[in-house]
This record gives sequence, structure tokens and C-alpha cells, in this order.
Amino acid sequence: DVKVTQSSRYLVKRTGEKVFLECVQDMDHENMFWYRQDPGLGLRLIYFSYDVKMKEKGDIPEGYSVSREKKERFSLILESASTNQTSMYLCASSLNGGYTFGSGTRLTVV
Amino acid sequence: AQSVTQPDIHITVSEGASLELRCNYSYGATPYLFWYVQSPGQGLQLLLKYFSGDTLVQGIKGFEAEFKRSQSSFNLRKPSVHWSDAAEYFCAVGAHGNEKLTFGTGTRLTIIP
Repeated sequence: DVKVTQSSRYLVKRTGEKVFLECVQDMDHENMFWYRQDPGLGLRLIYFSYDVKMKEKGDIPEGYSVSREKKERFSLILESASTNQTSMYLCASSLNGGYTFGSGTRLTVV
Repeated sequence: AQSVTQPDIHITVSEGASLELRCNYSYGATPYLFWYVQSPGQGLQLLLKYFSGDTLVQGIKGFEAEFKRSQSSFNLRKPSVHWSDAAEYFCAVGAHGNEKLTFGTGTRLTIIP
């Protein structure tokens, strides 16, 4: 079975901290995505990557950056966490339009 | 730009009853269309997808969806729901040659005995 693994299920960080969310896929997919999910807003795309060292902004990139040094790993970085970044973060990888999602990381910024 | 509307925020259905969840999309050409399900505290799981061909698509867990170009709709159906179907359901649209998907805001399904 294909798998997308997010390193943490729950995280609590302080305002101003630099936060790393890690995502690893074992399917050799070229495409990887970071979404955040908030009640009533659905999933909103933060960043995506079509290849190693390649990244493109999604709909809400402000306050975030990403890193993709290896094909299987796509990291989301919050440069200086703020309380409005408290959310559920979902990573996904895809091939031919079929997304496989990780279980999500619920981040709370206090 | 592509967009998806799920007009129902919350639906309650009796166990054993039929279900239809609505999805309307906006896209200039023939879209890729998807339905995903999310159980509490989990990531999203693909139920079914439409790329081309037969407009009635069968998915996992007994779900099906019908693509209606004239109505810009891709409604999800199940003839008889089970308590385990309680979850949040997301419709998504994508473009040919572009892996990026746009998701709707979701419909939460509650099942009552």
C-alpha cells in the first residue's frame, strides 16, 4: 500500500518559533503538496512541488516556505509561527491526479 | 480559475436510507473530478474519480458519482448508508495536465439509527 507519513500528529509551538513539518512518501511520486484545513474553509493549498528542488506557491503561501531536497520528502516551514497558523496541516503526493494523503499534523501555536 | 461548491455543510441521514451529496464545479474545459472522505482525526481517502468516458463512476465502499456536464455537477450517491459512513466528504476538481486540485469546503455526514 502506498503511504504518506507525516512525522507528527500533534504539535504545540510558541509564537515566533520556527516550525518544521515533515512529510515522506514511499511511492516515488513526483508531485507533493501541503494543504491546511480549517473548519468551514475546506482545504487550501499552501505550496506544491513537481520535482526535487522545485516549488510553486499555492493559494495561501504567506508565512510559509517549503523544501524538497529529495524526491520522497517535502517539508513545510513556518518561519515565525503565529497564532493564526493554528490549523490542521495535510501533506499529499500524487500521480496522474490521484492524491494520497498523510494523516495530518494538528498544529497549535500559543 | 477552477472552483468547487458543496452547498450542504451538514447532512443527517438515517441508517439504511439513500444518500446524495451535491457538488458543483466551475472549470472551462472537461475537468478531472474527485470525491474524498475524511474520518475524524484522519487524512483524506479517495472514494472515486472521473477523468473521461462513462459519466457514472463507481468507487469504494459502495459509492458512485455521476458527472453531468450540463449541470456542472458531480454528485455522490449511495443507495443505503451504514453508520460507518459518518465522516466529512470533499469534492475536488483538477485540470488535465495539472496535478493541482481545488477542494470544496466539505459536507459533514451524520448517520442516525
